[in-house]
Amino acid sequence: AQKVTQAQTEISVVEKEDVTLDCVYETRDTTYYLFWYKQPPSGELVFLIRRNSFDEQNEISGRYSWNFQKSTSSFNFTITASQVVDSAVYFCALSEVGNTPLVFGKGTRLSVIA
Amino acid sequence: AAGVIQSPRHLIKEKRETATLKCYPIPRHDTVYWYQQGPGQDPQFLISFYEKMQSDKGSIPDRFSAQQFSDYHSELNMSSLELGDSALYFCASTSSGQRHYEQYFGPGTRLTVT
Repeated sequence: AQKVTQAQTEISVVEKEDVTLDCVYETRDTTYYLFWYKQPPSGELVFLIRRNSFDEQNEISGRYSWNFQKSTSSFNFTITASQVVDSAVYFCALSEVGNTPLVFGKGTRLSVIA
Repeated sequence: AAGVIQSPRHLIKEKRETATLKCYPIPRHDTVYWYQQGPGQDPQFLISFYEKMQSDKGSIPDRFSAQQFSDYHSELNMSSLELGDSALYFCASTSSGQRHYEQYFGPGTRLTVT
């Protein structure tokens, strides 16, 4: 069975601090996809990144970076120089190959204080 | 670019009433997923359709039913509504011809049962 664990329920940081959101996953499949979504107070789910299980390269997009490590089944997300607009709930999710539903973690609520 | 459309965006119903949520996928997407997100919870998969046939079933109550029509739009029918059905309902669509099976989420329908 698939499972995604986001151990950090809530994180609070001061603006301009760096923050890392942890995600640990479980799956029996050798091929799978990992995702991060942002959910601001308005409620929509904003897609941030997709990573497939064969691509362990880290990725950087502006202030966002992702560290995928199959050896530890982790897909962590770092925001550099956090801003108030980064305040949201962040979900990590997993899916198998093919048209399969996403399994979400419980989410991490990030509050960035000015 | 066209996105997933959900209607209505907000819906208020009383206990024991019925509700119908609609989802219009991105053009040429053949697969639709429904997710339910309770307050403070992560999105939970309800049901999915591929080419108008049910493809997967999650934690959908027996009081709920859904279908996908010939134009690929989908409707989630909810009867005998309970207070616990108050949630954000997301629809997501994808194309089986897509290499990465990325699910594109709609803005959600916020259902309040009083």
